[in-house]
Amino acid sequence: EIVMTQSPATLSVSPGERATLSCRASQSVSTNLAWYQQKPGQAPRLLIYGASTRATGIPARFSGSGSGTEFTLTISSLQSEDFAVYYCQQYNNWPPVTFGQGTRLEIK
Amino acid sequence: QVQVVESGGGVVQPGRSLRLSCAASGFTFSNYGMHWVRQGPGKGLEWVAVIWYDGSNKYYADSVKGRFTISRDNSKNTLYLQMNSLRAEDTAVYYCARDSDPWDMTTPYFEYWGQGTLVTVSS
Repeated sequence: EIVMTQSPATLSVSPGERATLSCRASQSVSTNLAWYQQKPGQAPRLLIYGASTRATGIPARFSGSGSGTEFTLTISSLQSEDFAVYYCQQYNNWPPVTFGQGTRLEIK
Repeated sequence: QVQVVESGGGVVQPGRSLRLSCAASGFTFSNYGMHWVRQGPGKGLEWVAVIWYDGSNKYYADSVKGRFTISRDNSKNTLYLQMNSLRAEDTAVYYCARDSDPWDMTTPYFEYWGQGTLVTVSS
């Protein structure tokens, strides 16, 4: 089973600034990686798939990069609605699909 | 529009059973693989099970293997999760999620999720 590790656990950033979230896989997942945003009481929302392709309707301030074992989600200029928990998910070697433990993005 | 709606959650005693349902609409249900993903209170996301679009293959997380059964009725556009021998650690919100592409089970990421149904296992 591929283990996904996200860092940091909590990230404090001011609105308007850039946020950089990291995700590391225990072995290569190529570019078979997705990112999700989850707000309290809501289902996860797909942001990025294929490591760097934005899902339908996702603003351009969200971008993904990386391949192999190291991945990054960047939010270029944080808006108030972006403060949430973010998860990465690999789908290269499955089952099982595996998720990272999440990064909480909070207002500084 | 694509919609998936879970139901069937509730409070159940350890060792008992529960069946969850997920009603799908807005897409051709029989063309897509379907998954269950759960989230324990205050915890992250855990993939639970998948069923192929035609029901031909099913896979489970080790944590539920032998206790949970995923199934589908394509004539009713409905996905199920039969949960037996429930444990306290099965307490979670259970989401159903649609696979990404029709007939293609190689890229299981999830654009469409239900709102979730809460299962609480407690005596």
